[in-house]
Amino acid sequence: AQTVTQSQPEMSVQEAETVTLSCTYDTSENNYYLFWYKQPPSRQMILVIRQEAYKQQNATENRFSVNFQKAAKSFSLKISDSQLGDTAMYFCAFMKLNSGNTPLVFGKGTRLSVIA
Amino acid sequence: GAGVSQSPSNKVTEKGKDVELRCDPISGHTALYWYRQSLGQGLEFLIYFQGNSAPDKSGLPSDRFSAERTGGSVSTLTIQRTQQEDSAVYLCASSLELWEETQYFGPGTRLLVL
Repeated sequence: AQTVTQSQPEMSVQEAETVTLSCTYDTSENNYYLFWYKQPPSRQMILVIRQEAYKQQNATENRFSVNFQKAAKSFSLKISDSQLGDTAMYFCAFMKLNSGNTPLVFGKGTRLSVIA
Repeated sequence: GAGVSQSPSNKVTEKGKDVELRCDPISGHTALYWYRQSLGQGLEFLIYFQGNSAPDKSGLPSDRFSAERTGGSVSTLTIQRTQQEDSAVYLCASSLELWEETQYFGPGTRLLVL
């Protein structure tokens, strides 16, 4: 079974600074997706960024980028130029690719606070 | 619809009562998923629907939990004889096809069992 571990329950960062959230996972699969979801106080889970395991290039979405280290099974999220609106819970998630009954597996989350 | 909607937004109930949680997926999405988010925990997968069919119910926490989907659209998660440990946020998500890499989540229903 796959597991996802987020070792930082809470983090804080000054506005405009950069912060990195950690995520490691355990799987024997070779083909899979990794995700970072953001959950603001509204509770709605919002997809921040997605990485296909077969792609070596790290995914980037505006101020959000990942450092995907497949051999180390590590998938960290970097938020540059942090904004107050980035304050939220961030969840790392894993999904097998093309193999049937494979729900998203989530970590326990990191609560990020952006401080003015 | 424009997004996944869920109702009620919040529900407070007494231990032993039954509750129904509703999910309206994005129009045209064939796959629908239910998750539970307990305090301080990540999301726990409960059940999925492909159309109206739920082939695997093994993720449901107990036989007090059931779910159905009618007309390939709205889904209802029912919890019978609620217990305090059922208190959590119940999130619904949908995707165009089953296990598609992007799932769109609703805002969830926060259930509190007193």
